[in-house]
Amino acid sequence: GDSVTQMEGPVTLSEEAFLTINCTYTATGYPSLFWYVQYPGEGLQLLLKATKADDKGSNKGFEATYRKETTSFHLEKGSVQVSDSAVYFCAHSGGGSNYKLTFGKGTLLTVNP
Amino acid sequence: DAGVTQSPTHLIKTRGQQVTLRCSPKSGHDTVSWYQQALGQGPQFIFQYYEEEERQRGNFPDRFSGHQFPNYSSELNVNALLLGDSALYLCASTEQRDNEQFFGPGTRLTVL
Repeated sequence: GDSVTQMEGPVTLSEEAFLTINCTYTATGYPSLFWYVQYPGEGLQLLLKATKADDKGSNKGFEATYRKETTSFHLEKGSVQVSDSAVYFCAHSGGGSNYKLTFGKGTLLTVNP
Repeated sequence: DAGVTQSPTHLIKTRGQQVTLRCSPKSGHDTVSWYQQALGQGPQFIFQYYEEEERQRGNFPDRFSGHQFPNYSSELNVNALLLGDSALYLCASTEQRDNEQFFGPGTRLTVL
């Protein structure tokens, strides 16, 4: 069935460090891929998305590339800030008549000054 | 432009009771989905409503039911509450032709 596996957390980095959070997925059809961010006490905010193979989603310095051959969508940022501290969720939509989002378990990122 | 709104923010119930959560979608959106997020977990899909009908359902028991109104707002009802129903309940809206879902702030349900 559909699933998303993302890197276990928590991840703790110093400010200006490089960030990678790995994400792989299992899906039937041609899903769209998403990264959502959740700040403490808040709902989910869409960070970036990609809708087809080799697309690169980017926003606020974060990037992720849709890799169909490896079924991956790894999140990267070259230089993290304290304000990036949050929980990050990788997700995919099933495509076709499958409308739901399937999420990974989330990765807690803490950035220290 | 108001985004997705949910009410109430917090709710405390006891086992066996029933609860109704409410959601208003983002302006221009006609499709509403509900998700359950247990502590420390990713959101789990409950169901989606479009044109006032349940279009798709996740692996949740019949105790979970919903409704969509002509103005596209939606309700989530949970009967016979269990301790395990304690979670953050998230509503998300989208346009029918789109796959980008916008989330509300959630309702925190605690079952004692």
